[in-house]
Amino acid sequence: EVQLLESGGGLVQPGESLRLSCAASGFTFSSYYMSWVRQAPGKGLEWVSAITGSGGSTYYADSVKGRFSISRDNSKKTLYLQMNSLRAEDTALYYCAKTAQFDNWGQGTLVTVSS
Amino acid sequence: DVVMTQSPLSLPVTLGQPASFSCRSSQSLVYSDGNTYLHWFQQRPGQSPRRLIYKVSNRDSGVPDRFSGSGSDTDFTLKISRVEAEDVGVYYCMQGAHWPRTFGQGTKLEIK
Repeated sequence: EVQLLESGGGLVQPGESLRLSCAASGFTFSSYYMSWVRQAPGKGLEWVSAITGSGGSTYYADSVKGRFSISRDNSKKTLYLQMNSLRAEDTALYYCAKTAQFDNWGQGTLVTVSS
Repeated sequence: DVVMTQSPLSLPVTLGQPASFSCRSSQSLVYSDGNTYLHWFQQRPGQSPRRLIYKVSNRDSGVPDRFSGSGSDTDFTLKISRVEAEDVGVYYCMQGAHWPRTFGQGTKLEIK
């Protein structure tokens, strides 16, 4: 059974940084793209970033390009999202998802950016 | 970016009656491999999204057969043959053919 467990969310001030993690199990992690998708409170879904199975290629939404960085450690079966220069509009529930077609989702980790 | 437009935004339906969701894309979702990358997701209240239908008409594992998807190129439909109480939530379409990936605004299904 595919399991995705996000962690690392919390309350930070504008301009600060945070690193999210997503621990994967139940599938051959290194064989698949992985993605981050976020959902602001009461709003719809917004794709954030994706990474190939090898980690060799990465993709970003314009809203986070230059501030966020996606990476993965295939030996640890873990996906990361390094978030720098956080803004109030980055406040959201962050989900990791298997593949770039979002086959499976985790339960999400909440990031709140507020002074 | 590919714009995904869903309608209606709210859909009140009587239990046991059918429901239909529309999704239109601003560009063709046919990828170079010949597949059409249009997917449907369900988000029940308080839960994570769950993919129901992939590549237009394929049901994901465990999805009841009352859910069906159809369409082509830029015009797509999700149908529920007979709505049950557990179907309440928001339904999103999403395109996986182009970067950035984009979602529709969502259609909220409620019981009348």
